[in-house]
Amino acid sequence: EPEVTQTPSHQVTQMGQEVILRCVPISNHLYFYWYRQILGQKVEFLVSFYNNEISEKSEIFDDQFSVERPDGSNFTLKIRSTKLEDSAMYFCASSVRGRGSPLHFGNGTRLTVT
Amino acid sequence: QKEVEQNSGPLSVPEGAIASLNCTYSDRGSQSFFWYRQYSGKSPELIMSIYSNGDKEDGRFTAQLNKASQYVSLLIRDSQPSDSATYLCAVVPSSNYKLTFGKGTLLTVNP
Repeated sequence: EPEVTQTPSHQVTQMGQEVILRCVPISNHLYFYWYRQILGQKVEFLVSFYNNEISEKSEIFDDQFSVERPDGSNFTLKIRSTKLEDSAMYFCASSVRGRGSPLHFGNGTRLTVT
Repeated sequence: QKEVEQNSGPLSVPEGAIASLNCTYSDRGSQSFFWYRQYSGKSPELIMSIYSNGDKEDGRFTAQLNKASQYVSLLIRDSQPSDSATYLCAVVPSSNYKLTFGKGTLLTVNP
Protein backbone atom coordinates (compact mmCIF):
# COMPACT_ATOMS: atom_id res chain seq x y z
CA GLU A 1 0.00 0.00 0.00
CA PRO A 2 1.37 3.45 -0.89
CA GLU A 3 2.51 5.49 2.05
CA VAL A 4 3.71 8.94 3.03
CA THR A 5 7.39 8.94 3.91
CA GLN A 6 9.13 11.47 6.13
CA THR A 7 12.79 12.16 6.81
CA PRO A 8 14.54 12.37 9.13
CA SER A 9 12.76 10.36 11.81
CA HIS A 10 14.49 12.39 14.52
CA GLN A 11 16.14 15.79 14.30
CA VAL A 12 18.00 17.50 17.11
CA THR A 13 18.86 21.14 16.68
CA GLN A 14 19.96 24.10 18.72
CA MET A 15 17.68 27.04 19.41
CA GLY A 16 17.89 29.62 16.65
CA GLN A 17 18.94 27.15 13.96
CA GLU A 18 16.99 26.47 10.79
CA VAL A 19 15.55 23.03 10.15
CA ILE A 20 13.95 21.49 7.10
CA LEU A 21 11.63 18.54 7.48
CA ARG A 22 11.02 16.49 4.38
CA CYS A 23 8.07 14.50 3.14
CA VAL A 24 7.19 12.47 0.08
CA PRO A 25 3.40 12.32 -0.20
CA ILE A 26 1.50 9.50 -1.86
CA SER A 27 2.03 9.91 -5.59
CA ASN A 28 -1.54 10.46 -6.80
CA HIS A 29 -2.51 12.72 -3.91
CA LEU A 30 -3.04 16.40 -4.62
CA TYR A 31 -3.40 17.92 -1.14
CA PHE A 32 -0.59 18.10 1.36
CA TYR A 33 -0.55 19.00 5.02
CA TRP A 34 1.68 19.49 8.01
CA TYR A 35 0.48 18.78 11.53
CA ARG A 36 2.35 18.78 14.79
CA GLN A 37 1.87 17.09 18.14
CA ILE A 38 3.57 18.36 21.25
CA LEU A 39 4.20 15.54 23.71
CA GLY A 40 1.01 14.67 25.55
CA GLN A 41 -1.13 17.06 23.54
CA LYS A 42 -3.44 16.76 20.59
CA VAL A 43 -2.55 16.68 16.90
CA GLU A 44 -2.70 20.27 15.63
CA PHE A 45 -3.12 21.55 12.10
CA LEU A 46 -0.34 23.77 10.77
CA VAL A 47 -0.85 24.23 7.05
CA SER A 48 -2.48 22.81 3.95
CA PHE A 49 -1.05 23.08 0.44
CA TYR A 50 -2.66 22.60 -2.93
CA ASN A 51 -1.71 23.51 -6.47
CA ASN A 52 1.64 24.89 -5.33
CA GLU A 53 0.27 27.31 -2.82
CA ILE A 54 -0.87 27.45 0.77
CA SER A 55 -4.64 26.95 0.97
CA GLU A 56 -5.00 27.35 4.73
CA LYS A 57 -2.78 27.90 7.74
CA SER A 58 -3.26 28.05 11.47
CA GLU A 59 -2.24 30.76 13.89
CA ILE A 60 0.72 28.56 14.84
CA PHE A 61 2.08 28.84 11.29
CA ASP A 62 3.73 32.24 11.65
CA ASP A 63 6.53 33.87 9.67
CA GLN A 64 9.05 31.41 11.10
CA PHE A 65 7.43 28.62 9.12
CA SER A 66 7.34 28.03 5.38
CA VAL A 67 6.43 25.16 3.09
CA GLU A 68 7.61 24.28 -0.36
CA ARG A 69 7.15 21.67 -3.02
CA PRO A 70 10.54 21.97 -4.69
CA ASP A 71 9.93 19.22 -7.23
CA GLY A 72 7.24 16.76 -8.25
CA SER A 73 7.62 14.51 -5.24
CA ASN A 74 8.93 16.31 -2.15
CA PHE A 75 7.06 18.55 0.26
CA THR A 76 9.07 20.39 2.88
CA LEU A 77 8.47 22.33 6.09
CA LYS A 78 11.10 24.87 7.06
CA ILE A 79 11.40 26.45 10.48
CA ARG A 80 13.70 29.44 10.15
CA SER A 81 14.80 30.05 13.71
CA THR A 82 13.77 27.27 16.03
CA LYS A 83 12.54 27.87 19.56
CA LEU A 84 12.38 25.47 22.46
CA GLU A 85 8.60 25.34 22.10
CA ASP A 86 8.93 24.03 18.54
CA SER A 87 9.96 20.68 20.00
CA ALA A 88 7.25 18.30 18.85
CA MET A 89 6.41 15.48 16.50
CA TYR A 90 5.76 16.84 13.02
CA PHE A 91 3.50 14.83 10.75
CA CYS A 92 3.14 15.22 7.03
CA ALA A 93 -0.12 14.04 5.48
CA SER A 94 -1.65 13.87 2.04
CA SER A 95 -5.09 13.28 0.57
CA VAL A 96 -6.50 12.58 -2.86
CA ARG A 97 -8.98 15.43 -2.68
CA GLY A 98 -9.64 18.35 -0.36
CA ARG A 99 -12.37 18.67 2.21
CA GLY A 100 -13.81 15.35 3.25
CA SER A 101 -11.07 13.18 1.84
CA PRO A 102 -9.26 11.09 4.46
CA LEU A 103 -5.73 12.18 5.34
CA HIS A 104 -2.93 9.63 5.30
CA PHE A 105 -0.10 10.42 7.67
CA GLY A 106 3.60 9.76 7.48
CA ASN A 107 5.53 8.29 10.39
CA GLY A 108 6.56 11.72 11.60
CA THR A 109 9.75 13.59 12.45
CA ARG A 110 10.53 14.09 16.10
CA LEU A 111 12.09 17.55 16.41
CA THR A 112 14.04 18.29 19.57
CA VAL A 113 15.22 21.86 20.08
CA THR A 114 17.89 22.29 22.76
CA GLN B 1 -16.02 25.77 23.41
CA LYS B 2 -13.68 23.00 22.29
CA GLU B 3 -14.22 21.96 18.68
CA VAL B 4 -13.85 18.22 19.18
CA GLU B 5 -14.20 16.64 22.60
CA GLN B 6 -13.36 13.17 23.75
CA ASN B 7 -13.11 11.56 27.14
CA SER B 8 -9.38 11.12 27.68
CA GLY B 9 -9.86 7.83 29.53
CA PRO B 10 -8.22 5.52 30.12
CA LEU B 11 -10.97 3.16 29.02
CA SER B 12 -10.18 -0.35 30.13
CA VAL B 13 -12.00 -3.39 28.70
CA PRO B 14 -11.31 -7.12 28.90
CA GLU B 15 -10.23 -9.03 25.82
CA GLY B 16 -13.20 -10.04 23.70
CA ALA B 17 -15.45 -7.26 24.97
CA ILE B 18 -16.94 -4.36 23.05
CA ALA B 19 -15.12 -1.04 23.45
CA SER B 20 -17.22 2.07 22.95
CA LEU B 21 -15.52 5.38 22.23
CA ASN B 22 -17.39 8.66 22.00
CA CYS B 23 -16.79 12.08 20.52
CA THR B 24 -18.78 15.30 20.34
CA TYR B 25 -18.15 18.26 18.07
CA SER B 26 -19.23 21.88 18.17
CA ASP B 27 -19.66 22.84 14.49
CA ARG B 28 -23.16 21.75 13.52
CA GLY B 29 -22.34 22.12 9.82
CA SER B 30 -19.50 19.59 9.86
CA GLN B 31 -19.83 16.94 7.16
CA SER B 32 -16.79 14.68 7.42
CA PHE B 33 -15.79 12.57 10.39
CA PHE B 34 -12.90 10.24 10.96
CA TRP B 35 -11.49 7.87 13.53
CA TYR B 36 -7.75 7.41 13.77
CA ARG B 37 -5.74 5.07 15.96
CA GLN B 38 -2.43 6.23 17.39
CA TYR B 39 0.01 3.95 19.12
CA SER B 40 2.39 5.61 21.54
CA GLY B 41 5.10 7.51 19.66
CA LYS B 42 3.58 6.69 16.28
CA SER B 43 1.55 8.54 13.70
CA PRO B 44 -2.26 8.57 13.40
CA GLU B 45 -3.58 5.66 11.35
CA LEU B 46 -6.95 5.97 9.64
CA ILE B 47 -9.53 3.44 10.81
CA MET B 48 -12.86 4.74 9.55
CA SER B 49 -14.48 7.64 7.81
CA ILE B 50 -18.18 8.45 8.04
CA TYR B 51 -20.21 11.13 6.33
CA SER B 52 -23.90 10.21 6.78
CA ASN B 53 -26.08 9.66 9.81
CA GLY B 54 -26.25 6.08 10.95
CA ASP B 55 -23.83 3.21 11.24
CA LYS B 56 -20.90 2.18 9.08
CA GLU B 57 -19.25 -1.17 9.66
CA ASP B 58 -15.78 -2.33 8.66
CA GLY B 59 -14.69 -5.62 10.13
CA ARG B 60 -14.67 -5.37 13.92
CA PHE B 61 -15.17 -1.60 13.79
CA THR B 62 -18.47 0.29 13.60
CA ALA B 63 -18.66 4.05 13.37
CA GLN B 64 -21.90 5.77 14.33
CA LEU B 65 -22.85 9.33 13.44
CA ASN B 66 -25.69 11.44 14.78
CA LYS B 67 -25.51 14.93 13.32
CA ALA B 68 -28.56 16.19 15.22
CA SER B 69 -26.84 15.39 18.51
CA GLN B 70 -23.39 16.25 17.16
CA TYR B 71 -21.73 13.06 18.24
CA VAL B 72 -19.70 10.34 16.64
CA SER B 73 -18.85 7.02 18.19
CA LEU B 74 -16.65 4.06 17.44
CA LEU B 75 -17.42 0.53 18.56
CA ILE B 76 -14.72 -2.12 18.55
CA ARG B 77 -16.09 -5.66 18.80
CA ASP B 78 -14.06 -8.59 20.09
CA SER B 79 -11.40 -6.22 21.44
CA GLN B 80 -7.84 -7.51 21.29
CA PRO B 81 -4.78 -6.43 23.29
CA SER B 82 -3.36 -5.12 20.01
CA ASP B 83 -6.24 -2.62 19.94
CA SER B 84 -4.71 -0.89 22.96
CA ALA B 85 -3.93 2.61 21.69
CA THR B 86 -5.22 6.17 21.71
CA TYR B 87 -8.23 6.67 19.47
CA LEU B 88 -8.53 10.08 17.86
CA CYS B 89 -11.76 11.56 16.62
CA ALA B 90 -11.29 14.08 13.80
CA VAL B 91 -13.78 16.41 12.17
CA VAL B 92 -13.68 18.73 9.17
CA PRO B 93 -15.56 21.90 10.14
CA SER B 94 -17.97 23.52 7.73
CA SER B 95 -15.97 26.73 7.51
CA ASN B 96 -12.57 25.43 6.46
CA TYR B 97 -10.52 22.44 5.36
CA LYS B 98 -8.67 21.97 8.63
CA LEU B 99 -9.08 18.44 9.90
CA THR B 100 -9.47 19.05 13.63
CA PHE B 101 -8.58 16.41 16.16
CA GLY B 102 -9.80 15.69 19.63
CA LYS B 103 -7.29 14.89 22.36
CA GLY B 104 -8.01 11.20 22.03
CA THR B 105 -9.22 8.40 24.28
CA LEU B 106 -6.69 5.93 25.60
CA LEU B 107 -8.02 2.38 25.29
CA THR B 108 -6.47 -0.50 27.19
CA VAL B 109 -7.57 -4.05 26.37
CA ASN B 110 -6.63 -6.45 29.14
CA PRO B 111 -5.79 -10.07 28.25
